[in-house]
Amino acid sequence: DGGITQSPKYLFRKEGQNVTLSCEQNLNHDAMYWYRQDPGQGLRLIYYSQIVNDFQKGDIAEGYSVSREKKESFPLTVTSAQKNPTAFYLCATGDRGSNQPQHFGDGTRLSIL
Amino acid sequence: GDSVTQMEGPVTLSEEAFLTINCTYTATGYPSLFWYVQYPGEGLQLLLKATKADDKGSNKGFEATYRKETTSFHLEKGSVQVSDSAVYFCALSGMNYGGSQGNLIFGKGTKLSVKP
Repeated sequence: DGGITQSPKYLFRKEGQNVTLSCEQNLNHDAMYWYRQDPGQGLRLIYYSQIVNDFQKGDIAEGYSVSREKKESFPLTVTSAQKNPTAFYLCATGDRGSNQPQHFGDGTRLSIL
Repeated sequence: GDSVTQMEGPVTLSEEAFLTINCTYTATGYPSLFWYVQYPGEGLQLLLKATKADDKGSNKGFEATYRKETTSFHLEKGSVQVSDSAVYFCALSGMNYGGSQGNLIFGKGTKLSVKP
């Protein structure tokens, strides 16, 4: 989706290192989401934010942290506490309301060196 | 809690074959339902949606009807093409999930391969 930019596309992490994945949007959506995708497991919600300066844990928040200081940005930090970080990470945005779809970025693939 | 179950793949079809990917859901209230498609190395793209019972979503020859009586939202296409090869995800927007509207619950995805 052209309105959501995830960077970098590929990222490598060394043992004990924290890394930050960027997600920027120009769709003026209130809500932003981070998902983790592993083969055969679909998408699992890590964190989400419905409004600036507020965010909530999803199903698998352990070992991750986020911030939402601006409406346009929702960076995800994968900390050294996340023991199995190798995955495809997807950022999504959406308008508030249950009948609204989410829009996805192109993802960041994180691997361990 | 709310959940989505979709048929496991991979599904392999010949070009011009008929496609059905089954999706059933469990939810409280009246969720909205979505189908997303993911091409290799990319994010998810919304394929179609339905927001209430008996609604039919359609796009690019794909269709799905929101069946409340059978809690289903099966994806169909009359004649698939090689370019339809991708992973397809069924999802619902749960009113109660995470205490917030708009959060999506996904099925595990179904990989479709179409051979010429």
